[in-house]
Amino acid sequence: EAGVVQSPRYKIIEKKQPVAFWCNPISGHNTLYWYLQNLGQGPELLIRYENEEAVDDSQLPKDRFSAERLKGVDSTLKIQPAELGDSAVYLCASSLDTAPGNTIYFGEGSWLTVV
Amino acid sequence: AQSVSQHNHHVILSEAASLELGCNYSYGGTVNLFWYVQYPGQHLQLLLKYFSGDPLVKGIKGFEAEFIKSKFSFNLRKPSVQWSDTAEYFCAVPWGNAGGTSYGKLTFGQGTILTVHP
Repeated sequence: EAGVVQSPRYKIIEKKQPVAFWCNPISGHNTLYWYLQNLGQGPELLIRYENEEAVDDSQLPKDRFSAERLKGVDSTLKIQPAELGDSAVYLCASSLDTAPGNTIYFGEGSWLTVV
Repeated sequence: AQSVSQHNHHVILSEAASLELGCNYSYGGTVNLFWYVQYPGQHLQLLLKYFSGDPLVKGIKGFEAEFIKSKFSFNLRKPSVQWSDTAEYFCAVPWGNAGGTSYGKLTFGQGTILTVHP
């Protein structure tokens, strides 16, 4: 069974440029998450989708970050314009739903470097 | 707010040594706890989880963790580590922004890097 697929794996951009990350969750998983992981820290939730609805985006910096999950499957996370401090790993994850006991499965992450 | 603390940032061991990684959480009540592992170049994957019942939880690859409510701890253990256990280990709890258990959000500790020398 395929896991959570993310692309690109690595991206280097200049500050003020836009960048987009794509995520394909595990088939049948209704819940999709985007996490941010800074160097030396644990992941932090940016946004969570239940099907196509964003149900928790309180941690998403909405002035420059946006996300969508069209048709409740794939998702994209966009940053425009990027800042130096956005250099981090962007993790996508999915789970069947948010019932207790369900495992959250993570992708390999998209490593962003802003120069 | 809930927090998760991992005391050791970097642990270095030789093969066959015993391992114990600390994890403490900051609230009482119903507790659910997770350990995730991230091997070099790979994705985060679940090692084990505690929801209820036996406080000693067995996970994959010979890992186990013990939930001690009185100490607010969920330490990860392995009796004999291997070189292939070199990875970063994260403790996590489901905790929402408004407070209270939320299975839609995992709050992670800062991680412990384990290096095992052959």
